[in-house]
Amino acid sequence: AQTVTQSQPEMSVQEAETVTLSCTYDTSESDYYLFWYKQPPSRQMILVIRQEAYKQQNATENRFSVNFQKAAKSFSLKISDSQLGDAAMYFCAYRGTYNQGGKLIFGQGTELSVKP
Amino acid sequence: EPEVTQTPSHQVTQMGQEVILRCVPISNHLYFYWYRQILGQKVEFLVSFYNNEISEKSEIFDDQFSVERPDGSNFTLKIRSTKLEDSAMYFCASSVRAIGETQYFGPGTRLLVL
Repeated sequence: AQTVTQSQPEMSVQEAETVTLSCTYDTSESDYYLFWYKQPPSRQMILVIRQEAYKQQNATENRFSVNFQKAAKSFSLKISDSQLGDAAMYFCAYRGTYNQGGKLIFGQGTELSVKP
Repeated sequence: EPEVTQTPSHQVTQMGQEVILRCVPISNHLYFYWYRQILGQKVEFLVSFYNNEISEKSEIFDDQFSVERPDGSNFTLKIRSTKLEDSAMYFCASSVRAIGETQYFGPGTRLLVL
């Protein structure tokens, strides 16, 4: 069974600086999708970025980028120029392609605080 | 921008009562999902639904749970006889396809069972 692990329960960053959140996963599949979701205090789940495993190029979305290391099964999220609004819980999630139901498997989350 | 909506935002119920949580997925989406998040824990998959059938369900999704698409827009999760441990945030999500498409989440329903 696939698993997703986020080993950093909490992280802190100074406003305007860069922070990296870690995520590792375990799977026997060769094709899959990885996601980072943000959950602010409102608890709404908001997509931050996605990565297709067959793509070698790391995904980027404005200040957010990933470092996808397929062989190491690592998928970290880098937030550049951190803003106060980035403070939230961040979840890494995995979805396989063999599983036709399409379920997402989430990590435990990393609580990010941003200091002014 | 289209979004997933959920009602109610909060629900308080007594143990043993039935609750129905409602979701309106994004209109052109074909796959629907329910997840739950117990306070302080990770988000857990409950069920996926396509073409009026359950595609996949987790071990959590036992006989007390059911899902339905009663009309062309709503997608519901019913808990027949609520337990204290059903207290959680319930998220509905939808996607165009099951594979390769992003799932968009609703704002959640916070369920408290007393």
